[in-house]
Amino acid sequence: NAGVTQTPKFQVLKTGQSMTLQCAQDMNHNSMYWYRQDPGMGLRLIYYSASEGTTDKGEVPNGYNVSRLNKREFSLRLESAAPSQTSVYFCAIKGLGTGELFFGEGSRLTVL
Amino acid sequence: DQQVKQNSPSLSVQEGRISILNCDYTNSMFDYFLWYKKYPAEGPTFLISISSIKDKNEDGRFTVFLNKSAKHLSLHIVPSQPGDSAVYFCAAKDRNDMRFGAGTRLTVKP
Repeated sequence: NAGVTQTPKFQVLKTGQSMTLQCAQDMNHNSMYWYRQDPGMGLRLIYYSASEGTTDKGEVPNGYNVSRLNKREFSLRLESAAPSQTSVYFCAIKGLGTGELFFGEGSRLTVL
Repeated sequence: DQQVKQNSPSLSVQEGRISILNCDYTNSMFDYFLWYKKYPAEGPTFLISISSIKDKNEDGRFTVFLNKSAKHLSLHIVPSQPGDSAVYFCAAKDRNDMRFGAGTRLTVKP
């Protein structure tokens, strides 16, 4: 998972609290992604950013906001956390060749 | 709307035997297919891929087969090793959209 760093690795929130998951890459790639992984559901795309300053919705964007302020960083914000957002969140960057994704180690979020 | 399906949540095989993991997709616009491997508490890592213009791609012990008419792909691991025990995700790509299956947990017994 070298090249993609996520923080925090673990977080417990109460319903209604807000928080931001941070993702930073040192590979100078354009495209960055946020996925969530839930049992029996695989990885589902929340938001992605094809380049600095642009963001687009993925499969499950409701309840989330993102920010791509520079090429290196892509953050995911939960404004008012809900128990349904309990999940493991992965940030990823797209490789320059055939487009495979390189993932961070994940952030495990629990909303009580 | 699951466009990529892995219908077997788990698979157990004996060390040295072949492991076959299956994946089905519904979107005929997918043009690139990938397999990822995931260990506990780590992010998924890319394993092997295949373009829609091919029907087979091999990399060491890992081979991916694509049957476009059936919208089906499979990953063969031979011989299987205990270190291959992990969750395997199938993924399919269409321009900016990459969809993942639910994963298959492979256990290779010594």
